[in-house]
Amino acid sequence: DAKTTQPNSMESNEEEPVHLPCNHSTISGTDYIHWYRQLPSQGPEYVIHGLTSNVNNRMASLAIAEDRKSSTLILHRATLRDAAVYYCILIKFNAGGTSYGKLTFGQGTILTVHP
Amino acid sequence: DSGVTQTPKHLITATGQRVTLRCSPRSGDLSVYWYQQSLDQGLQFLIQYYNGEERAKGNILERFSAQQFPDLHSELNLSSLELGDSALYFCASSVEANTGELFFGEGSRLTVL
Repeated sequence: DAKTTQPNSMESNEEEPVHLPCNHSTISGTDYIHWYRQLPSQGPEYVIHGLTSNVNNRMASLAIAEDRKSSTLILHRATLRDAAVYYCILIKFNAGGTSYGKLTFGQGTILTVHP
Repeated sequence: DSGVTQTPKHLITATGQRVTLRCSPRSGDLSVYWYQQSLDQGLQFLIQYYNGEERAKGNILERFSAQQFPDLHSELNLSSLELGDSALYFCASSVEANTGELFFGEGSRLTVL
């Protein structure tokens, strides 16, 4: 399985944008890029996912490099509630749209947001 | 609130004992997943069920077993408990088996003394 590499930790100030990077240089054509986050004392929470094009939703934006070897999760205005561990995960789907399976969580990036 | 319910929230037991963790998936979700989170191993996938059938298996010990019932709730049974089994156990659910969008419960914290 292709691996992802994320910085161990990042810091941000409240109300400022945050760019969380993820490297996945061995990504294959059938790997979707997913982001999850885990707030303190809670289960992981789905944030966003994409394949090739940039994606936006109410929580965040996902910018995917043209060669797909890296991606960036963008929180447009960080709040204290965004302090969490952010996980970048690759999930393989075959041509029929079937996932080969489970989420493999790495160590993630611990995001600290300062008031 | 993800809609996934796990009980109990906390459980303290002794080595050698057996416990059962219960998970109720979101309404309408057919697939259930179990994950273990410990300080040294991070989040580890254990097992997945889809509509009552085992779908995928991860690093689940032979002392652990799971099942999904006709009403779609799931139970994770942990037996012959060891100190190292102390961890947070998360259940997640999804509509289909083939998706990357899972909804996680708040977890069951197991402490083995």
